[in-house]
Amino acid sequence: GAVVSQHPSWVICKSGTSVKIECRSLDFQATTMFWYRQFPKQSLMLMATSNEGSKATYEQGVEKDKFLINHASLTLSTLTVTSAHPEDSSFYICSANGNYEQYFGPGTRLTVT
Amino acid sequence: KNEVEQSPQNLTAQEGEFITINCSYSVGISALHWLQQHPGGGIVSLFMLSSGKKKHGRLIATINIQEKHSSLHITASHPRDSAVYICAVSPHYGGSQGNLIFGKGTKLSVKP
Repeated sequence: GAVVSQHPSWVICKSGTSVKIECRSLDFQATTMFWYRQFPKQSLMLMATSNEGSKATYEQGVEKDKFLINHASLTLSTLTVTSAHPEDSSFYICSANGNYEQYFGPGTRLTVT
Repeated sequence: KNEVEQSPQNLTAQEGEFITINCSYSVGISALHWLQQHPGGGIVSLFMLSSGKKKHGRLIATINIQEKHSSLHITASHPRDSAVYICAVSPHYGGSQGNLIFGKGTKLSVKP
């Protein structure tokens, strides 16, 4: 089946720094990718919809200037957490639509110290 | 009230048992997904269905659109089935297929 990869799988950074997370569709093209966040013992929450060649659509309550999304190609979307703070520590997951199915990446665990 | 409700929240079973996880939703949907999340966090899509029943190996998923209810069954359960099982729906109003509404998940532990 289709594969979506994420890099890095985990990252620890200091408060105030920025972190970039990559999401790639490995064997299909995805005009739309999605970014989710999951806090411990909670459901996944959609943060934003990433559209190739256009601006991302953010969900209510998600700061677009803090969570920068770039979908530069049909196989790559990036999420940059700018000026990270400990409360941004979470599990970030991307997904992509392909062949009328939705495929999830393995996730990136971000810890901000 | 959550738009997607799962039951039970936690489930412990003995190896070999037949397992059922239920999902009820309150919105009109275009599709329902069953996902599996292992302790490391990665998510695997098990099924996407909009009607009827699907089977893959020991896993069976059914959906009743009229009753807004879906079930995930695991036959001959095994310790490696231990994971969190998440029900998610694609609402009609969502527009994009990715605008999923997730249930809180069912944590399954299968004991040898």
